[in-house]
Amino acid sequence: AQSVAQPEDQVNVAEGNPLTVKCTYSVSGNPYLFWYVQYPNRGLQFLLKYITGDNLVKGSYGFEAEFNKSQTSFHLKKPSALVSDSALYFCAVRETGANNLFFGTGTRLTVIP
Amino acid sequence: DAGITQSPRYKITETGRQVTLMCHQTWSHSYMFWYRQDLGHGLRLIYYSAAADITDKGEVPDGYVVSRSKTENFPLTLESATRSQTSVYFCASSDGRFSGANVLTFGAGSRLTVL
Repeated sequence: AQSVAQPEDQVNVAEGNPLTVKCTYSVSGNPYLFWYVQYPNRGLQFLLKYITGDNLVKGSYGFEAEFNKSQTSFHLKKPSALVSDSALYFCAVRETGANNLFFGTGTRLTVIP
Repeated sequence: DAGITQSPRYKITETGRQVTLMCHQTWSHSYMFWYRQDLGHGLRLIYYSAAADITDKGEVPDGYVVSRSKTENFPLTLESATRSQTSVYFCASSDGRFSGANVLTFGAGSRLTVL
């Protein structure tokens, strides 16, 4: 069975500081990993994904994520946070060969001016 | 406009009534999905469809019915609404290329309140 955990419901960071939003996963085989962002009253928007290859994945709006197989983690990072990055972030995982995409419970990021 | 649209955006209904949430996409994507979003649960898959006339259950299908007679439409029906079905419902689609690596595109959501 596949699952994903986001251990922090809320992350606060000062504008200009680096940010990290944590995600760990559990799958039987090789994972496809995703990050989505949700702004208020909007649907989820795709940020980035890991399929295979380089463990550091770069995505939209300056975000990146690092795949760590030994720790089964896929943390989202950004070197310098903006106030406009404040949103709800979801990590998601899909097993190879599966149709379902499983989402974590989400982490609310607040960037403080 | 091109994209994925959901209607209605907001709906209030009463327990026991039938409610249908509509989803329409203009990309001819093969896959379509319905999720519900609840605090503390994130997004949970209700039903999905790989093509017209092909549907399958997700994590939480009880109390819901779907159909897909046309590729572009994927309505979700609550046959007898219950208060536990108060939620925000998201429709999504993907083109199915690259199999598991394909990206979902989401609609703006439908907020349903069951009194």
